[in-house]
Amino acid sequence: QSVLTQPPSVSAASGQKVTISCSGSSSNIGSYYVSWYQQVPGTAPKLLIYEDNKRPSGIPDRFSGSKSGTSATLGITGLQTGDEADYYCGTWDTSLSAYVFVSGTRVTVL
Amino acid sequence: QVQLVQSGGEVKKPGASVKVSCKASGYTLSSYGISWVRQAPGQGLEWMGWISSYNAATKYAKKFQGRVTMTTDTSTDTAYMELSSLRSDDTAVYYCAREYCTSDSCYGADYWGQGTLVTVSS
Repeated sequence: QSVLTQPPSVSAASGQKVTISCSGSSSNIGSYYVSWYQQVPGTAPKLLIYEDNKRPSGIPDRFSGSKSGTSATLGITGLQTGDEADYYCGTWDTSLSAYVFVSGTRVTVL
Repeated sequence: QVQLVQSGGEVKKPGASVKVSCKASGYTLSSYGISWVRQAPGQGLEWMGWISSYNAATKYAKKFQGRVTMTTDTSTDTAYMELSSLRSDDTAVYYCAREYCTSDSCYGADYWGQGTLVTVSS
């Protein structure tokens, strides 16, 4: 059972916005940076957001990250069919002394 | 450009060991470490541990301590992950990834290898 939780799935129409929340505790999200990853089935994960809200070069500004207290949020605006994938948040957990990933959210474009 | 290229898929019997390699290029290896993350079929991501390419310091997830060994060969810019006493539930895709860690924590991986499927079956 993951120490981080997020909804198993979200969906929206093409062009709309979705947000994915990731909830944790003071031993993880509340104390350490959060990263977000996109994984198209059958491929390796891809970093979308690091250090809570920074985008690597090449990641469009349609993707945004934020954090407040023990929760983090990924936002995707202008949803495209190419955004259909699994999304994971990850962070360090001091109680486990390990990097932890949430179980993942499947984004579906209607 | 940063690239991590992993070795090919493996089929192992229960109780055996597997060693997966990850060759890095496009950056100064000693500036980052390498983490190993696995994904069982239809499941999420699971962090197994990390090794420093600078001084070979390691961080292993408690679940894998005693069964996993991570090493690096700086002469060939290659990292290795060996998992022993394999069980059927070790069947997964194993990824290496570049990650920066301090003595306190890890910051999350930025570049990932293509993955190596390890199948454990009798």
